Parts: sequence; C-alpha cells; structure tokens
Amino acid sequence: DSGVTQTPKHLITATGQRVTLRCSPRSGDLSVYWYQQSLDQGLQFLIQYYNGEERAKGNILERFSAQQFPDLHSELNLSSLELGDSALYFCASSVGWGHEQYFGPGTRLTVT
Amino acid sequence: AQTVTQSQPEMSVQEAETVTLSCTYDTSESNYYLFWYKQPPSRQMILVIRQEAYKQQNATENRFSVNFQKAAKSFSLKISDSQLGDTAMYFCAFMTDQGAQKLVFGQGTRLTINP
Repeated sequence: DSGVTQTPKHLITATGQRVTLRCSPRSGDLSVYWYQQSLDQGLQFLIQYYNGEERAKGNILERFSAQQFPDLHSELNLSSLELGDSALYFCASSVGWGHEQYFGPGTRLTVT
Repeated sequence: AQTVTQSQPEMSVQEAETVTLSCTYDTSESNYYLFWYKQPPSRQMILVIRQEAYKQQNATENRFSVNFQKAAKSFSLKISDSQLGDTAMYFCAFMTDQGAQKLVFGQGTRLTINP
C-alpha cells in the first residue's frame, strides 16, 4: 500500500459524458501528479500540482482539467469523453523536488 | 526532450535465476534521476529502486540492483534469486532535475518468472 488513494477504482460511462477522478496523496506529500496509461500511448504524464498550484503540464487534452484543493487532494475532470479516453488513470504523490513518486492503485475508465 | 528506451519487450527466466533488464535514455542534462517501477498483474505501480545521476555508486535494494553507466546513458536492473512474485511489467523512468518533475517512462519489459 503506497498511501495514495484513488476513487473510484472502475468507471464505465458513455461517449460525450463527463467524469471526475479523485486522488488523496500520502500524508505530508505536497506534489500530486496525474498519468494516463493506455495500450497505444503507454504511460504519459498529464499534469502536476504542488501545494495547490499547477506546476507542469504534459500531453493533457483541453477537454481534461485538474485541480488541487487546500487539503491537498486532487481531482481530474474529463469531459466530452471519447472512446480513445479509455485508459488507466494514475495519481502519484511525492514530498517534493527530486523525490520518488508513489502511485495510487489507479482508476480504470471505460468509455462505451 | 528526454526519451527512455527498453529494448526487451519480454523476458522469461526460471525461479532463483538472475535476470538483467536493459534501459537506455537520452538527455542533455548532467543531473537527473532514474527509477525502476514494477507493475504486477494487479496494475499497481510499485517503486523498485531510485538512482541519482550525480552519485557514482549504484543503488541496491535487497535483491534488486542497478548498473548505472552515465557516459553510455544506460541504466539496467538486475534481479538476483528471482521469485515468482517478481513476475510483472517493469518500467524504466527518467526525471529531470529542473523544470517539470514528470516521469518519462520507457515502453516496459514483461518479465515472467517460471517455477
């Protein structure tokens, strides 16, 4: 158990819908990262937050957005869902710069 | 942009054998961090080992050790006395010391330990 929690574990929804994935970092970790793992793209970085502020963006679509709240939990919002958005979405957290990232169990999103 | 390459899509060894997984990366930076993560069938991403580029000494964690060759930009993982529980996908990852603290992953190596 990494100490990072993600909900829900599984999500099945239809094209065009919107979903919210939730992540709680390990106690004491200020940085939260979101990654997408799909068969064709592998593991890709989406976005990073540090203590409530956006720090870095990767290949995140405009239909996707995220935020980190004052209690440090983070949410990833995916809208206008397409079949190609089906993937495993991971949240990771770290204590700070240069430190290892610990991953949550992931949310498996299936868009039908 | 940094890239990470794992040239072995699949490997298979017998229990108790030693196995080495290869990883090469491309960067122009002098300081950075390298990691190996393991993803068993449960799909959980588990940190195996971490190496800081400015440290000459190779990292070791129990049965797991790395061979870090900075000039060759090579970072291989050696698993000694392999166990059935080591069966998993293994990902090599790179993280820069500056800018975005994102992990850049290789494509992964599927390792199977046979009884």
